[in-house]
Amino acid sequence: DTAVSQTPKYLVTQMGNDKSIKCEQNLGHDTMYWYKQDSKKFLKIMFSYNNKELIINETVPNRFSPKSPDKAHLNLHINSLELGDSAVYFCASSQRDRGRDEQYFGPGTRLTVT
Amino acid sequence: AQKITQTQPGMFVQEKEAVTLDCTYDTSDPSYGLFWYKQPSSGEMIFLIYQGSYDQQNATEGRYSLNFQKARKSANLVISASQLGDSAMYFCAMRERNFNKFYFGSGTKLNVKP
Repeated sequence: DTAVSQTPKYLVTQMGNDKSIKCEQNLGHDTMYWYKQDSKKFLKIMFSYNNKELIINETVPNRFSPKSPDKAHLNLHINSLELGDSAVYFCASSQRDRGRDEQYFGPGTRLTVT
Repeated sequence: AQKITQTQPGMFVQEKEAVTLDCTYDTSDPSYGLFWYKQPSSGEMIFLIYQGSYDQQNATEGRYSLNFQKARKSANLVISASQLGDSAMYFCAMRERNFNKFYFGSGTKLNVKP
Protein backbone atom coordinates (compact mmCIF):
# COMPACT_ATOMS: atom_id res chain seq x y z
CA ASP A 1 0.00 0.00 0.00
CA THR A 2 2.84 2.37 -0.94
CA ALA A 3 1.59 5.95 -0.97
CA VAL A 4 4.14 7.58 -3.30
CA SER A 5 6.38 5.32 -5.33
CA GLN A 6 9.26 6.09 -7.66
CA THR A 7 11.14 3.98 -10.15
CA PRO A 8 13.96 3.34 -10.41
CA LYS A 9 15.47 3.74 -6.95
CA TYR A 10 18.98 3.94 -8.36
CA LEU A 11 20.03 5.14 -11.78
CA VAL A 12 23.62 5.14 -13.01
CA THR A 13 24.23 6.47 -16.49
CA GLN A 14 26.77 8.22 -18.64
CA MET A 15 26.93 11.85 -19.64
CA GLY A 16 24.89 12.69 -22.68
CA ASN A 17 22.29 9.98 -22.15
CA ASP A 18 18.54 10.56 -21.78
CA LYS A 19 16.73 9.01 -18.83
CA SER A 20 13.30 9.04 -17.17
CA ILE A 21 12.13 8.68 -13.61
CA LYS A 22 8.55 7.62 -12.92
CA CYS A 23 6.36 8.58 -9.99
CA GLU A 24 2.95 7.33 -8.93
CA GLN A 25 0.78 8.21 -5.94
CA ASN A 26 -2.27 6.33 -4.68
CA LEU A 27 -3.35 8.93 -2.12
CA GLY A 28 -5.91 10.56 -4.40
CA HIS A 29 -4.01 13.85 -4.20
CA ASP A 30 -4.45 16.49 -6.88
CA THR A 31 -0.93 17.94 -6.82
CA MET A 32 2.44 16.37 -7.47
CA TYR A 33 6.00 17.71 -7.27
CA TRP A 34 9.58 17.01 -8.23
CA TYR A 35 12.44 18.01 -5.96
CA LYS A 36 16.19 17.77 -6.35
CA GLN A 37 18.38 17.12 -3.31
CA ASP A 38 22.05 17.80 -3.87
CA SER A 39 25.06 16.27 -2.14
CA LYS A 40 24.81 18.85 0.66
CA LYS A 41 21.23 17.73 1.34
CA PHE A 42 19.79 20.98 0.02
CA LEU A 43 16.25 20.44 -1.31
CA LYS A 44 14.91 22.54 -4.16
CA ILE A 45 11.56 22.31 -5.85
CA MET A 46 11.71 21.85 -9.60
CA PHE A 47 8.15 21.40 -10.83
CA SER A 48 4.62 21.03 -9.59
CA TYR A 49 1.47 19.83 -11.34
CA ASN A 50 -2.06 20.40 -10.12
CA ASN A 51 -4.69 18.28 -11.86
CA LYS A 52 -2.27 17.67 -14.73
CA GLU A 53 -1.57 21.39 -15.13
CA LEU A 54 1.93 22.75 -14.60
CA ILE A 55 1.75 25.31 -11.79
CA ILE A 56 5.35 25.60 -10.64
CA ASN A 57 8.27 25.63 -13.01
CA GLU A 58 11.35 26.84 -11.20
CA THR A 59 14.59 27.82 -12.89
CA VAL A 60 15.55 24.43 -14.20
CA PRO A 61 17.46 23.68 -17.42
CA ASN A 62 15.07 22.86 -20.22
CA ARG A 63 16.77 19.47 -20.47
CA PHE A 64 14.38 18.55 -17.66
CA SER A 65 10.81 17.96 -18.78
CA PRO A 66 7.99 16.78 -16.53
CA LYS A 67 5.00 14.92 -17.88
CA SER A 68 1.76 14.22 -16.06
CA PRO A 69 -0.41 11.72 -17.95
CA ASP A 70 -2.99 11.81 -15.14
CA LYS A 71 -3.40 13.06 -11.58
CA ALA A 72 -1.73 10.00 -10.10
CA HIS A 73 1.43 10.08 -12.20
CA LEU A 74 4.22 12.57 -12.72
CA ASN A 75 7.28 11.53 -14.68
CA LEU A 76 10.56 13.36 -15.10
CA HIS A 77 12.53 13.09 -18.31
CA ILE A 78 16.08 14.35 -18.46
CA ASN A 79 17.90 14.86 -21.77
CA SER A 80 21.64 15.07 -22.35
CA LEU A 81 22.58 14.24 -18.78
CA GLU A 82 25.43 16.18 -17.21
CA LEU A 83 27.67 15.44 -14.23
CA GLY A 84 25.92 18.17 -12.23
CA ASP A 85 22.62 16.36 -12.56
CA SER A 86 23.85 13.76 -10.08
CA ALA A 87 21.55 14.05 -7.09
CA VAL A 88 18.61 12.43 -5.36
CA TYR A 89 15.31 13.27 -7.01
CA PHE A 90 12.18 13.13 -4.90
CA CYS A 91 8.62 13.01 -6.06
CA ALA A 92 5.91 14.22 -3.66
CA SER A 93 2.17 14.73 -3.61
CA SER A 94 -0.36 16.77 -1.66
CA GLN A 95 -3.99 17.79 -1.69
CA ARG A 96 -3.75 21.45 -2.56
CA ASP A 97 -7.14 22.69 -1.51
CA ARG A 98 -6.82 21.45 2.03
CA GLY A 99 -5.84 23.99 4.65
CA ARG A 100 -3.21 21.57 5.82
CA ASP A 101 -1.51 20.60 2.58
CA GLU A 102 1.52 18.65 3.72
CA GLN A 103 3.45 16.81 1.06
CA TYR A 104 4.11 13.10 1.10
CA PHE A 105 7.38 12.08 -0.46
CA GLY A 106 8.45 9.08 -2.45
CA PRO A 107 11.58 7.15 -1.49
CA GLY A 108 13.78 9.10 -3.88
CA THR A 109 15.80 8.17 -6.97
CA ARG A 110 19.55 8.44 -6.65
CA LEU A 111 20.88 9.50 -10.04
CA THR A 112 24.60 9.16 -10.70
CA VAL A 113 26.00 10.54 -13.93
CA THR A 114 29.49 9.34 -14.85
CA ALA B 1 17.41 36.98 1.63
CA GLN B 2 16.97 33.41 2.75
CA LYS B 3 13.38 32.35 2.89
CA ILE B 4 13.99 29.62 5.46
CA THR B 5 16.93 29.73 7.83
CA GLN B 6 18.06 26.88 10.02
CA THR B 7 21.08 28.12 11.93
CA GLN B 8 22.06 24.81 13.56
CA PRO B 9 23.83 22.55 11.07
CA GLY B 10 24.27 19.90 13.78
CA MET B 11 23.05 19.24 17.29
CA PHE B 12 23.50 16.65 19.99
CA VAL B 13 20.95 15.72 22.63
CA GLN B 14 20.95 13.14 25.37
CA GLU B 15 18.36 10.39 25.10
CA LYS B 16 15.11 11.21 26.95
CA GLU B 17 15.85 14.95 26.98
CA ALA B 18 13.94 17.56 25.01
CA VAL B 19 15.54 19.42 22.11
CA THR B 20 14.58 22.51 20.11
CA LEU B 21 15.50 22.89 16.46
CA ASP B 22 15.41 26.47 15.25
CA CYS B 23 13.74 27.77 12.12
CA THR B 24 13.10 31.32 10.99
CA TYR B 25 11.32 32.31 7.83
CA ASP B 26 10.81 35.34 5.67
CA THR B 27 7.67 36.05 3.68
CA SER B 28 5.33 38.85 2.74
CA ASP B 29 2.54 36.45 1.87
CA PRO B 30 -0.10 36.63 4.63
CA SER B 31 -1.18 33.05 3.92
CA TYR B 32 1.50 30.44 4.38
CA GLY B 33 2.11 27.04 5.87
CA LEU B 34 5.10 25.85 7.83
CA PHE B 35 6.23 22.25 7.88
CA TRP B 36 8.86 20.09 9.47
CA TYR B 37 10.21 16.96 7.84
CA LYS B 38 12.55 14.27 9.11
CA GLN B 39 15.07 12.55 6.86
CA PRO B 40 16.74 9.53 8.49
CA SER B 41 19.95 8.09 7.09
CA SER B 42 17.84 5.75 4.96
CA GLY B 43 16.90 8.80 2.91
CA GLU B 44 13.12 9.01 2.96
CA MET B 45 11.39 12.29 3.82
CA ILE B 46 8.85 11.96 6.61
CA PHE B 47 6.28 14.65 7.37
CA LEU B 48 6.19 15.53 11.06
CA ILE B 49 4.09 18.59 11.77
CA TYR B 50 2.27 21.51 10.17
CA GLN B 51 1.43 25.05 11.27
CA GLY B 52 -0.77 27.41 9.29
CA SER B 53 -0.16 31.15 9.38
CA TYR B 54 -3.66 31.78 10.69
CA ASP B 55 -3.57 29.06 13.32
CA GLN B 56 -3.96 30.51 16.78
CA GLN B 57 -2.53 27.57 18.66
CA ASN B 58 0.82 25.88 18.36
CA ALA B 59 0.66 22.57 16.52
CA THR B 60 1.40 19.33 18.34
CA GLU B 61 1.80 15.79 17.02
CA GLY B 62 2.75 13.27 19.66
CA ARG B 63 6.27 14.11 20.89
CA TYR B 64 6.59 16.92 18.33
CA SER B 65 5.40 20.43 18.91
CA LEU B 66 5.92 23.57 16.91
CA ASN B 67 6.71 26.77 18.77
CA PHE B 68 5.15 29.30 16.40
CA GLN B 69 6.05 32.93 17.05
CA LYS B 70 4.50 34.82 14.17
CA ALA B 71 5.82 38.26 15.03
CA ARG B 72 9.35 36.89 15.21
CA LYS B 73 8.77 34.73 12.11
CA SER B 74 10.04 31.67 13.87
CA ALA B 75 8.74 28.11 13.82
CA ASN B 76 10.94 26.04 16.07
CA LEU B 77 10.44 22.29 16.38
CA VAL B 78 10.47 20.85 19.88
CA ILE B 79 11.03 17.13 20.31
CA SER B 80 10.26 15.91 23.78
CA ALA B 81 11.79 12.79 25.36
CA SER B 82 14.31 12.20 22.56
CA GLN B 83 14.80 8.66 21.35
CA LEU B 84 17.72 7.10 19.49
CA GLY B 85 15.48 6.79 16.46
CA ASP B 86 15.14 10.58 16.35
CA SER B 87 18.70 10.84 15.02
CA ALA B 88 18.21 12.27 11.53
CA MET B 89 18.25 15.42 9.42
CA TYR B 90 15.36 17.76 10.10
CA PHE B 91 14.11 20.21 7.52
CA CYS B 92 11.91 23.23 8.04
CA ALA B 93 9.81 24.21 5.02
CA MET B 94 7.36 26.90 4.01
CA ARG B 95 4.63 27.15 1.41
CA GLU B 96 3.55 30.65 0.34
CA ARG B 97 -0.04 30.05 -0.75
CA ASN B 98 -0.70 33.21 -2.71
CA PHE B 99 2.69 33.24 -4.38
CA ASN B 100 2.56 29.46 -4.87
CA LYS B 101 6.14 28.99 -3.77
CA PHE B 102 7.84 26.33 -1.68
CA TYR B 103 11.08 26.61 0.22
CA PHE B 104 13.15 24.24 2.35
CA GLY B 105 15.78 25.14 4.89
CA SER B 106 19.29 23.71 4.80
CA GLY B 107 18.51 21.23 7.56
CA THR B 108 19.72 20.39 11.05
CA LYS B 109 21.42 17.07 11.73
CA LEU B 110 20.30 15.81 15.12
CA ASN B 111 22.26 13.14 16.96
CA VAL B 112 20.68 11.52 20.00
CA LYS B 113 23.23 10.08 22.40
CA PRO B 114 22.44 7.07 24.61
